[in-house]
Amino acid sequence: GAVVSQHPSWVICKSGTSVKIECRSLDFQATTMFWYRQFPKQSLMLMATSNEGSKATYEQGVEKDKFLINHASLTLSTLTVTSAHPEDSSFYICSARDSGILRTGELFFGEGSRLTVL
Amino acid sequence: GDSVTQMEGPVTLSEEAFLTINCTYTATGYPSLFWYVQYPGEGLQLLLKATKADDKGSNKGFEATYRKETTSFHLEKGSVQVSDSAVYFCALSDQKVIFGTGTRLQVFP
Repeated sequence: GAVVSQHPSWVICKSGTSVKIECRSLDFQATTMFWYRQFPKQSLMLMATSNEGSKATYEQGVEKDKFLINHASLTLSTLTVTSAHPEDSSFYICSARDSGILRTGELFFGEGSRLTVL
Repeated sequence: GDSVTQMEGPVTLSEEAFLTINCTYTATGYPSLFWYVQYPGEGLQLLLKATKADDKGSNKGFEATYRKETTSFHLEKGSVQVSDSAVYFCALSDQKVIFGTGTRLQVFP
């Protein structure tokens, strides 16, 4: 099946610094990628939809200046957590739709990135 | 807007018991429906899917039928195993993918 790679898997940073997380579709093109945030023992909260070549669409309550999303190519989207604070500590998951099978809408998920802000 | 509601967990069962995890949805369009599973310490993976009304998705002994009349996509398995212990997420896909809150299943021998 299609593979989505997410990097880094773990990151620990100091409060006030910025952290970039990469999401790559390895064997397919993804015009649309999604970024989710998962709190312990809770569901996935959709943060934003990343569209190749255009601005991301953010969900209500998600600060776009805090969570910068760039989808520069058909295989790469990045999430940058700017000026991170302890409350930003979470598990961030990216997912991508294979542009060739839009009808089914199936998502392929990255392994997730656990961010800990000290 | 679109939404997914699934039963709260945890669901605790003995091995070989019958499993049902309820899922209902609201959508303005005609979404595809999915069940994803997250095993302990792992990422999400697709369990099964259905793309239109009356479709039945199945995999690893799990089944779910897309019921448009009741806007439901309940997950069932006739005989669960300890290895099925995981968190199960119902999801719909239209313009974007929306997940339910997840249901934790614990199966004991």
